[in-house]
Amino acid sequence: KQEVTQIPAALSVPEGENLVLNCSFTDSAIYNLQWFRQDPGKGLTSLLLIQSSQREQTSGRLNASLDKSSGRSTLYIAASQPGDSATYLCAGGYNTDKLIFGTGTRLQVFP
Amino acid sequence: GAVVSQHPSWVICKSGTSVKIECRSLDFQATTMFWYRQFPKQSLMLMATSNEGSKATYEQGVEKDKFLINHASLTLSTLTVTSAHPEDSSFYICSARPGTSGFGTQYFGPGTRLTVL
Repeated sequence: KQEVTQIPAALSVPEGENLVLNCSFTDSAIYNLQWFRQDPGKGLTSLLLIQSSQREQTSGRLNASLDKSSGRSTLYIAASQPGDSATYLCAGGYNTDKLIFGTGTRLQVFP
Repeated sequence: GAVVSQHPSWVICKSGTSVKIECRSLDFQATTMFWYRQFPKQSLMLMATSNEGSKATYEQGVEKDKFLINHASLTLSTLTVTSAHPEDSSFYICSARPGTSGFGTQYFGPGTRLTVL
């Protein structure tokens, strides 16, 4: 069964800290791995997409890595800001055209 | 580009009524659209995949007679929750995949909050 889990489930940090969010997946036949941001009561905003042939992607203060052999992906957030507070979801894409979503990490960055 | 809209953004209805939710791709043609539901503080669960002009494919455990999906054009898919009950209250999110994109490229709508009284 294809499953995606994320740890920690919740995280509260002071502004300025560097953060690592973890995502693990059971089926390594992954096509790609995406990280999304979801604000309360809102839809999803795509942050980074890593193809299976890639090791990492970077966008601004965000860096995502992918290790298929270990079934893991990490999202690194540098110099966190209160505006980064949201739920972060990772999703594994498979060649069935399905996205399998993780359980999410609720992040709160306080001033 | 790649904007997906949903209408309505929220809806409150009485138990037993039917509710229709629209998902539109505004600036691209979507050969495939997906419908998800999300319960509070939980992740997104795929309900069904719809391809333009054909019947939707439902995930295991999703009642196709209760959640009617129509994908009549390359820019519009609708989800109708028939005879809604309080347990159907949830956040429904659609996504759309452009015909020119590969697997995993989905653009998400803003979601529709359904509350059934």
